[in-house]
Amino acid sequence: DAGVTQSPTHLIKTRGQHVTLRCSPISGHKSVSWYQQVLGQGPQFIFQYYEKEERGRGNFPDRFSARQFPNYSSELNVNALLLGDSALYLCASSLEVYEQFFGPGTRLTVL
Amino acid sequence: GNSVTQMEGPVTLSEEAFLTINCTYTATGYPSLFWYVQYPGEGLQLLLKATKADDKGSNKGFEATYRKETTSFHLEKGSVQVSDSAVYFCALSAMEYGNKLVFGAGTILRVKS
Repeated sequence: DAGVTQSPTHLIKTRGQHVTLRCSPISGHKSVSWYQQVLGQGPQFIFQYYEKEERGRGNFPDRFSARQFPNYSSELNVNALLLGDSALYLCASSLEVYEQFFGPGTRLTVL
Repeated sequence: GNSVTQMEGPVTLSEEAFLTINCTYTATGYPSLFWYVQYPGEGLQLLLKATKADDKGSNKGFEATYRKETTSFHLEKGSVQVSDSAVYFCALSAMEYGNKLVFGAGTILRVKS
């Protein structure tokens, strides 16, 4: 079975631009969570969705938004990019909201 | 709020040495505890988990025991290999907080042959 997939793998943007990151969960998993991992730090929780509804939101500004589609895939959107948004963005899926399985991440560089 | 503290790295060991990476946590309620591993350029892989006090998680020679009295979940391995070189993250989740994962800062492990 395929694991969690994320696209794109790498992305380079400039300040002020907008970005959309995509995640496909493991088949049958209904919950998707997003995390931001800045270089040298542990991942920080951004959003969690379950059955297309937002279940939790971390301490991130409103420039960050997300949604989950009927097929349980998810998008993370970031507007008005800042240099500090440069990070590895990780998506994790779970059958319910317990053990989470991570994708390989999207490496975002903001110049 | 919930938090996780890990020992700072990098930890540098010779092959076949004994490994301990300390992890302590602060949480209300009864969290589940996890160790994740991240190899260079990759995402996170679940290494082991424990869901209640005194549970021992184990996988690939790694072990960790959920100690509620000391709020700890230290990672151990009896004999490390060069292929164990990676970053190790301790994490917790709690139903009261929607089961989001709260991670420590990570500990870099370097194993020399």
